[in-house]
This record gives sequence, structure tokens and C-alpha cells, in this order.
Amino acid sequence: KQEVTQIPAALSVPEGENLVLNCSFTDSAIYNLQWFRQDPGKGLTSLLLIQSSQREQTSGRLNASLDKSSGRSTLYIAASQPGDSATYLCAVTSGYSTLTFGKGTMLLVSP
Amino acid sequence: EPEVTQTPSHQVTQMGQEVILRCVPISNHLYFYWYRQILGQKVEFLVSFYNNEISEKSEIFDDQFSVERPDGSNFTLKIRSTKLEDSAMYFCASSPTASGSYNEQFFGPGTRLTVL
Repeated sequence: KQEVTQIPAALSVPEGENLVLNCSFTDSAIYNLQWFRQDPGKGLTSLLLIQSSQREQTSGRLNASLDKSSGRSTLYIAASQPGDSATYLCAVTSGYSTLTFGKGTMLLVSP
Repeated sequence: EPEVTQTPSHQVTQMGQEVILRCVPISNHLYFYWYRQILGQKVEFLVSFYNNEISEKSEIFDDQFSVERPDGSNFTLKIRSTKLEDSAMYFCASSPTASGSYNEQFFGPGTRLTVL
């Protein structure tokens, strides 16, 4: 059974810092990996999708990498801003269509 | 930009009552999903739906749950007899393709279900 773990559970940084969020998964037979953002009490916003054949994806200040063989992904956020404060979720598709989620990293960026 | 919508945003019900949660997926998407998130816990997969039938379901999705696409736009989740432990945020999602690798899922804002 696929398990997804995210470290750290919470992170607090001053504005402007670059930061890395980590995600690991137990079964490397995945179709893809998605990073989401969740604001308190709200839905999930898709940030990046990395297909299993890809090594990384970039969108603006976000860069996600995937090392499928070792079961790891990182989300790099450059020049963090207070508006980046949210919970970041990692999820993998290992069944045909099923997403398995991690518990998330709660990020607080202080001005 | 097209988005998944869900109604209601918050539903309060008494234990044992039936509830129907409604979703309008993105219009050209083919795959539809329901997930739930109990407060403080992970988002969990419930069911996926393609071509008017269930394609996958989790062990959570027992006989108390059912899904339906009653018309060309709506996708519903019915819970027949709610239990206290059904209290959670329920998310609908849709994706444009039926292929695993390209299967980017887009989520709605959720319905918070409170069972008293």
C-alpha cells in the first residue's frame, strides 16, 4: 500500500528566504506526482504535476523535482512571500487514477 | 479560468439522515473523483468515475455511499445514512484525461459536512 510522508510538518521562515519541502513515497511505481496548496478551510490548488518520466517542473518561483527510483520529491520555493503561507500537499498517482496524499507541510512566511 | 464548483459549502445534518453533495466538474473533463479530509488528517480517496460508471473505489466507499452523474454537468455523492464519523470536508475533483501519467486532477473548494 502506497504511503506518502512529508517533512517537515511545519516550517516558519522570514520573508525572502528560499526553502525546500520534502516528500517521500514507499512505492516507486507511480504514474505522476502532484504538489498542491491548501489554504485554511479551503480547497486544493494544483501547483505542479510531474509525470513519472520527468525529473522536474517549474512554475514561477516554484520548482519541483522527482527522483522516482528513490521515492522522493522536493518542492523548492524561491524568495518566499507572506502570501505563500499555506499547507503544501504532495500526492502520487499509483493506482490508475487514485491520488495518495501526504499529510502536508504547514508553511508560515513572516514579513 | 474553468474551475470545479461544489454545493453546498457547508451541510449540517442529523445522524441517520441522507445527504447529497453536489459538484460541477470542469466541462471538458472525463474523469471525476470524490475525496474526503477528516479534520487534521490526510486527504483520502473515495471513488473515481468514468464513462458513467465507477472505475475505482476505496475501502471507505461502502454501501452507504453512491455516486451519480444525473445529467451532463452535475456529479453527486450520496451518503444514505450518515454517521458521526462521516463528518469531514468532501472534495470533488476532475481531470481531462483517462491516462495515469497525464492525469492532473483539479479540485473544488469542498463541502464541509457536519453530522450531529
